[in-house]
Amino acid sequence: GAVVSQHPSWVICKSGTSVKIECRSLDFQATTMFWYRQFPKQSLMLMATSNEGSKATYEQGVEKDKFLINHASLTLSTLTVTSAHPEDSSFYICSARDPSSGRGSEQFFGPGTRLTVL
Amino acid sequence: GENVEQHPSTLSVQEGDSAVIKCTYSDSASNYFPWYKQELGKGPQLIIDIRSNVGEKKDQRIAVTLNKTAKHFSLHITETQPEDSAVYFCAARYAGKSTFGDGTTLTVKP
Repeated sequence: GAVVSQHPSWVICKSGTSVKIECRSLDFQATTMFWYRQFPKQSLMLMATSNEGSKATYEQGVEKDKFLINHASLTLSTLTVTSAHPEDSSFYICSARDPSSGRGSEQFFGPGTRLTVL
Repeated sequence: GENVEQHPSTLSVQEGDSAVIKCTYSDSASNYFPWYKQELGKGPQLIIDIRSNVGEKKDQRIAVTLNKTAKHFSLHITETQPEDSAVYFCAARYAGKSTFGDGTTLTVKP
């Protein structure tokens, strides 16, 4: 159990376009979801935390108008990279928690989405 | 905020040997310490975790120890196998927010 999926697994887009990445909890209700960014051979950098039905909380230095996060249901969160530029190329990973469950401390990670902006 | 340091950054061992990865954290309020394994091109997977009220936890070949006083925790992998080769991340969590170490690339040579 506790599976998190992401779609797409990889995407290539042109500079200036917007890209949407979906994160789904397949077998549990994720009241909290996290979005991370990971550069090659580096650690995970938290971008934002979203709670279902409310606005996301962004980490310092992350532009909320550029990285739009929507957590409209207990099983789906989306990250939209608006007007993408080559420097936005990265590995984006979501994770989910259900604090109300007995495994509330665990974070379950998705498989990641590789974004390449040309 | 929390700061997590992880050592070593790379570790190479012979199959069958043990591997130890160490992390230190700065915020004494952190109370949950998970370890993740990340294979190339994939998301991290939780392999073991420990809470601040426990000093040691073991799951088959994997164990984690926590020293709250010194604010450090370690991952121990015994009888390493080539499939253990991956990047390992530690993390420290407080108030729902996790801070990750920089990762350790473990290579197990057959």
